[in-house]
Amino acid sequence: EAGVAQSPRYKIIEKRQSVAFWCNPISGHATLYWYQQILGQGPKLLIQFQNNGVVDDSQLPKDRFSAERLKGVDSTLKIQPAKLEDSAVYLCASSLQQGRETQYFGPGTRLLVL
Amino acid sequence: LAKTTQPISMDSYEGQEVNITCSHNNIATNDYITWYQQFPSQGPRFIIQGYKTKVTNEVASLFIPADRKSSTLSLPRVSLSDTAVYYCLVGDIGRDDKIIFGKGTRLHILP
Repeated sequence: EAGVAQSPRYKIIEKRQSVAFWCNPISGHATLYWYQQILGQGPKLLIQFQNNGVVDDSQLPKDRFSAERLKGVDSTLKIQPAKLEDSAVYLCASSLQQGRETQYFGPGTRLLVL
Repeated sequence: LAKTTQPISMDSYEGQEVNITCSHNNIATNDYITWYQQFPSQGPRFIIQGYKTKVTNEVASLFIPADRKSSTLSLPRVSLSDTAVYYCLVGDIGRDDKIIFGKGTRLHILP
């Protein structure tokens, strides 16, 4: 079974630039999550999708971050414009359903904002 | 949501059994306890999940006392490759509960 795919793996941009991350979840998984993990901290949930609908985006900085999951499969997370404090690893995860279903994480995208 | 408290870090030696305890005093009736493991430069990986008493799989055991206010992840005979960060999470199985990762426990296995 293929795992969660993410790209790119690494990205370096300057502040005020834009960046986009892509995630392909495990086939058949209805729930998709985007997390931000700052060095030394645990992952912080940014947004959760159930199919193509948003379940929770309470911690997503909506003035600069946006995410979509068209057709309920792939998802993209965008930052525009980026700030220095956005430097982090962005993790995508998927699960069969919500609740206590096991989340399967991708390798993450490491973003450095200069 | 029940808040969890874990030790920041632990050291142990190869071949030893390691026990990591997580406190969750405000755990609710429907909450399950889940542990994830994260290696450097990788996403977290599910280890084990339980509701009460003891759960065991090929990787670890999870001990949950009757009051469920804490839980202990037990790793038998650790090796250097078990060096990782371990996260304890508590959430409701039935609701759309938000998954919250704390800072986790950094486990360092020494030769």
